[in-house]
Amino acid sequence: AQSVTQPDIHITVSEGASLELRCNYSYGATPYLFWYVQSPGQGLQLLLKYFSGDTLVQGIKGFEAEFKRSQSSFNLRKPSVHWSDAAEYFCAVGPYNNNDMRFGAGTRLTVKP
Amino acid sequence: NAGVTQTPKFQVLKTGQSMTLQCAQDMNHEYMSWYRQDPGMGLRLIHYSVGAGITDQGEVPNGYNVSRSTTEDFPLRLLSAAPSQTSVYFCASSPRRVPTGGNGYTFGSGTRLTVV
Repeated sequence: AQSVTQPDIHITVSEGASLELRCNYSYGATPYLFWYVQSPGQGLQLLLKYFSGDTLVQGIKGFEAEFKRSQSSFNLRKPSVHWSDAAEYFCAVGPYNNNDMRFGAGTRLTVKP
Repeated sequence: NAGVTQTPKFQVLKTGQSMTLQCAQDMNHEYMSWYRQDPGMGLRLIHYSVGAGITDQGEVPNGYNVSRSTTEDFPLRLLSAAPSQTSVYFCASSPRRVPTGGNGYTFGSGTRLTVV
């Protein structure tokens, strides 16, 4: 069973518009939560992470994410998207069995001029 | 620059051939892992290591072998390549298995493997 779900395979937004990428998970307690970004031909870079405390976390490049326990969600947001934000975004959750981290299938972001 | 180095970046193999994907890190991380990335599947864990001499299987280990003789290196071996192993492979490292501190996993830039 898929433990981490990113419902949107591909999203297109206009430059300057706001962005929200969804991440839902199944987990028995409060997990560790991460968002990574992958630019074309590159490895994954950490945007932000949540372990405990304030449920709204700030990351690099102007991104933020909010942990909502009641909805089992950790959605990524940015108020104003830049053309350089075009990339693929992955949510990661864990630890699961044997302390594995699980990655979602990814959301590809296209930014229109 | 410190980080995770993967070689080669691209590789084409014929079915049945063997090869080794190299991964090296210079951050003295104890934990290293190999993932494969396939469209619509995200990243799936192949094998991982929590330290030199210690390896274990991940979610999709069949057809792959690993060893960890040093802290720095964690090669991934394909013994007899199959078309189903066509994928992009990422190596990652972290001070600990669950990256509760610092910057999570550090990823290499990937190896794109095609098996024909």
